[in-house]
Formats: sequence, C-alpha cells, structure tokens
Amino acid sequence: DTAVSQTPKYLVTQMGNDKSIKCEQNLGHDTMYWYKQDSKKFLKIMFSYNNKELIINETVPNRFSPKSPDKAHLNLHINSLELGDSAVYFCASSLPGEGNEQYFGPGTRLTVT
Amino acid sequence: QQPVQSPQAVILREGEDAVINCSSSKALYSVHWYRQKHGEAPVFLMILLKGGEQKGHDKISASFNEKKQQSSLYLTASQLSYSGTYFCGTGTGFQKLVFGTGTRLLVSP
Repeated sequence: DTAVSQTPKYLVTQMGNDKSIKCEQNLGHDTMYWYKQDSKKFLKIMFSYNNKELIINETVPNRFSPKSPDKAHLNLHINSLELGDSAVYFCASSLPGEGNEQYFGPGTRLTVT
Repeated sequence: QQPVQSPQAVILREGEDAVINCSSSKALYSVHWYRQKHGEAPVFLMILLKGGEQKGHDKISASFNEKKQQSSLYLTASQLSYSGTYFCGTGTGFQKLVFGTGTRLLVSP
C-alpha cells in the first residue's frame, strides 16, 4: 500500500499552460507539505497544511496555489507555467509538530518547454 | 538561511565509516536527517530534538550540539545500500524544515 502517492509522475508542458499535481496520503496524518527540488537538488518547502488549514506559505509566486479538499489530499495548481518552474515537486505528510518524521511521495518531475 | 553540510561528497569502501555534518546559523529546535537515492523520494533516517530526544532507525546514529547549532550523522560499517544523497533538515520550532545543501555518499564494493 502506497503511503503518499502523487499523480502524475511526469509532466511535460509548454510555457504559459496551467497544470495540477495531486497528492494523497493514507497514513492518517494531519499535516501535508509541498516541496520543490531544483536541478541542483536543493529541497525547499513551498507550502504546508495542517488539517486543511494553510500554516506555511513560503515566498512562492502566486501562480502556485495549493488546495486541500480534506486532510488526506493536498493538490498543487500552477498557472502560466514558466521555464524556471521545471523541477521535481514532492508532496509529504507527517503528524503535527516538528518532532515527527515526514513521509515523502515519489515526486512529480515537471518539465516546462 | 540554508544549513551547510560537509563534506559535499564522500566515497567509501564497503565497511568503512563516515561522518556527515550539518551546521546552521540559527538556534535550532530540531534536526532531521533524510537519505535520497537517485530518482527517488527522500527517506527518513533520524530526528534529534532540543533537549536530547531522538528517534530513528537503530542502525543510524547522530548527535546534536544545540549550543553550536550543529548535528552530525554517523554511518558505521557502511553498506552498498547506504549510497545516496544525505540531507539534514533544520527546524526552529515552527514546523518548517529548511534542508541543507546535501552530501553525496558513494559506497563501493
């Protein structure tokens, strides 16, 4: 059973398009995250939700909009895609609190051409 | 600011030991360690909390010097499966982890 799943695994699209990435976790966690890992492998947090409430919103362009329909799902919608958005996007989940490990999804490799 | 990891890369022979360091400029509440293999997701190894609490895998050990804002991950009797990139993630108590620059480890037979 997959703990944290993401779809799609690969996404190739052209500049200016709008795309969404979906994430689901079956661990019963209250907290979910979106991370971006760039070509240099830097892993940077973008957003975090706790029980459907946004608790972390890093300095991310407002073209990125997360949505949490329930605490098991956290989706990421990206408008007007740019070349610099090309990266691997990871979803993760954890129990609340910084003292709990995060479980990462398999990642979505986004390529913008 | 991103924590700095050292070394940037290390090559080991199977059975050798290694230490990976993580240094932050901020007062820390937690340090997390993750390993990421090529093309895969980061996988949890260990958490160290201010005050001394730790949790993680039995075969992994680490230390956390709260005063120096530093943590070290100790890999002993390395195995081929230890190869990958190791990341520390530091937190200041607000549930936001800032991940380090990464350390690439290659274990050869």
